[in-house]
Amino acid sequence: GAGVSQTPSNKVTEKGKYVELRCDPISGHTALYWYRQSLGQGPEFLIYFQGTGAADDSGLPNDRFFAVRPEGSVSTLKIQRTERGDSAVYLCASSRDRAGGSPLHFGNGTRLTVT
Amino acid sequence: AQSVTQPDIHITVSEGASLELRCNYSYGATPYLFWYVQSPGQGLQLLLKYFSGDTLVQGIKGFEAEFKRSQSSFNLRKPSVHWSDAAEYFCAVGTNRDDKIIFGKGTRLHILP
Repeated sequence: GAGVSQTPSNKVTEKGKYVELRCDPISGHTALYWYRQSLGQGPEFLIYFQGTGAADDSGLPNDRFFAVRPEGSVSTLKIQRTERGDSAVYLCASSRDRAGGSPLHFGNGTRLTVT
Repeated sequence: AQSVTQPDIHITVSEGASLELRCNYSYGATPYLFWYVQSPGQGLQLLLKYFSGDTLVQGIKGFEAEFKRSQSSFNLRKPSVHWSDAAEYFCAVGTNRDDKIIFGKGTRLHILP
């Protein structure tokens, strides 16, 4: 079946602009995660959804970052007033249920470049 | 809160040699443990996982890992590496109290011909 799909695959934006990154999880997966991966680093946890609600958003770096999952499927990560330090690969992953009990399936990521 | 440490940033081994990548975790109870591999230009792929039971787990591509509670470790091993194993390897830890999965900084594996 189809895997986790992330769009766009690349996004270049100017400092101060607003961006939206989309994640389409595997059908039927209730858990959805966003991570950020900078060059040479491991994935950094941002936020986790169980269904429609954000179960844990403790990894969001500041209030410029926000994510939604209104119907419990597709999720959008929104970044306001982008800064050059936001440049990274943003990864989305989904899991069949609670991820403590089943592994994460990752998309290929969106590479965000803020100029 | 849980955390994970991968002490080696880079590891170089010769093709055909054995491999061990180290992973140490910090968590007060029994963790869920994972190893993922990321090849250049590819997404993260699960190699193996430990939830409970047998502490030696087998994964894909001939990899195995052993959970050692006394050492808070979950080291990844392979008896004989292939050139195609060159990639970045990430250890990750989760818990049954929350569903946050935390990743280590990764170990980049280089293979000498």
